[in-house]
Amino acid sequence: GENVEQHPSTLSVQEGDSAVIKCTYSDSASNYFPWYKQELGKRPQLIIDIRSNVGEKKDQRIAVTLNKTAKHFSLHITETQPEDSAVYFCAASIEYGGSQGNLIFGKGTKLSVKP
Amino acid sequence: EPEVTQTPSHQVTQMGQEVILRCVPISNHLYFYWYRQILGQKVEFLVSFYNNEISEKSEIFDDQFSVERPDGSNFTLKIRSTKLEDSAMYFCAGRPPLDTQYFGPGTRLTVL
Repeated sequence: GENVEQHPSTLSVQEGDSAVIKCTYSDSASNYFPWYKQELGKRPQLIIDIRSNVGEKKDQRIAVTLNKTAKHFSLHITETQPEDSAVYFCAASIEYGGSQGNLIFGKGTKLSVKP
Repeated sequence: EPEVTQTPSHQVTQMGQEVILRCVPISNHLYFYWYRQILGQKVEFLVSFYNNEISEKSEIFDDQFSVERPDGSNFTLKIRSTKLEDSAMYFCAGRPPLDTQYFGPGTRLTVL
């Protein structure tokens, strides 16, 4: 089955700096890659996602890149702010035909943005 | 914007007891999922449900677990005889067609 590896497990940056979190996946059939932000005691919230037909997607300060050949994808946060502090999870799934896209998550990255 | 809801927010039970966790997806959701997250660990897939039957389940979802959607709205996860290691946050998620999954706020299950 699918296996998702995520690095680093913790990341500390100064406010205004950029943060990059990287994930690799094992199943070449995976074609949907969402990123979730989880604040302490809260539900995972989707922040950005990418499908395998594109290599990059951007939404304001957040961007995701996908390299299908290498089977890795990355989250980039620019101009970080203290409110970006949270645990970020990457995930992978297969979406096609009858599949309902069960998400396989990475282990998470705890991002701390210091003011 | 409507959100997936879950009840209870926190459930405390004795080992060996049965628990039922409830989820109310958004009305246009067709696909339903349960995930669990042991404290400090990653979110793990348990089961997916579509058209009133299980679509896929993980190795975690053994005979102690069951799901159903008895009244067409609530989506429930039942654990028949809880174990200490079942203590975790349980999230349900719903998904409309051709869209992503939307998570509920979770139920924290504590097994004593």
